[in-house]
Amino acid sequence: AQSVTQPDIHITVSEGASLELRCNYSYGATPYLFWYVQSPGQGLQLLLKYFSGDTLVQGIKGFEAEFKRSQSSFNLRKPSVHWSDAAEYFCAVPGNRDDKIIFGKGTRLHILP
Amino acid sequence: KAGVTQTPRYLIKTRGQQVTLSCSPISGHRSVSWYQQTPGQGLQFLFEYFSETQRNKGNFPGRFSGRQFSNSRSEMNVSTLELGDSALYLCASSLGSGGIDTQYFGPGTRLTVL
Repeated sequence: AQSVTQPDIHITVSEGASLELRCNYSYGATPYLFWYVQSPGQGLQLLLKYFSGDTLVQGIKGFEAEFKRSQSSFNLRKPSVHWSDAAEYFCAVPGNRDDKIIFGKGTRLHILP
Repeated sequence: KAGVTQTPRYLIKTRGQQVTLSCSPISGHRSVSWYQQTPGQGLQFLFEYFSETQRNKGNFPGRFSGRQFSNSRSEMNVSTLELGDSALYLCASSLGSGGIDTQYFGPGTRLTVL
């Protein structure tokens, strides 16, 4: 069955520092992978998605993610974080009939000034 | 294009009551999905409607139901509310009903059950 694991519940980085959020997936075939962001009091916004092709995917707000089949990972990166990046980030895969999409538990990102 | 809108944004109900939440998708989108978000369980899929038909349903009791109208607007209903139903309910719309379609989320309805 499909699943997504985000090992880090909280991550704190200083403003201007680089960021990497981890995501590991379990998927039967070639995976489709998503990263969403949820700012406080808001719904989710799609940052980027991977379907096939180039394993390095560029998204909005300066984020990118790299698909690594050998490691079953789809980690999200940003070279330099801004205070406005403080939010919760969710990795996701399409589900089966009982789940349109399966989300990880989320990683909450805190930014130090 | 206007985004996904959800009404109301906040609701307070008491146990045993029922509640109806509304979602208006992005114009042209025919699929509407509902999710429950809680601190303990995270984001969980409730159900999806496409062209007025329920396409799939998550693992929730029958107290949770929904419908979709011909204009693609959707409502979800929760009957006999329990304390554990307190959550943020998110609605998302997409063009198609496949799991790979990009979903656009509304801001959610915060339901508190007392």
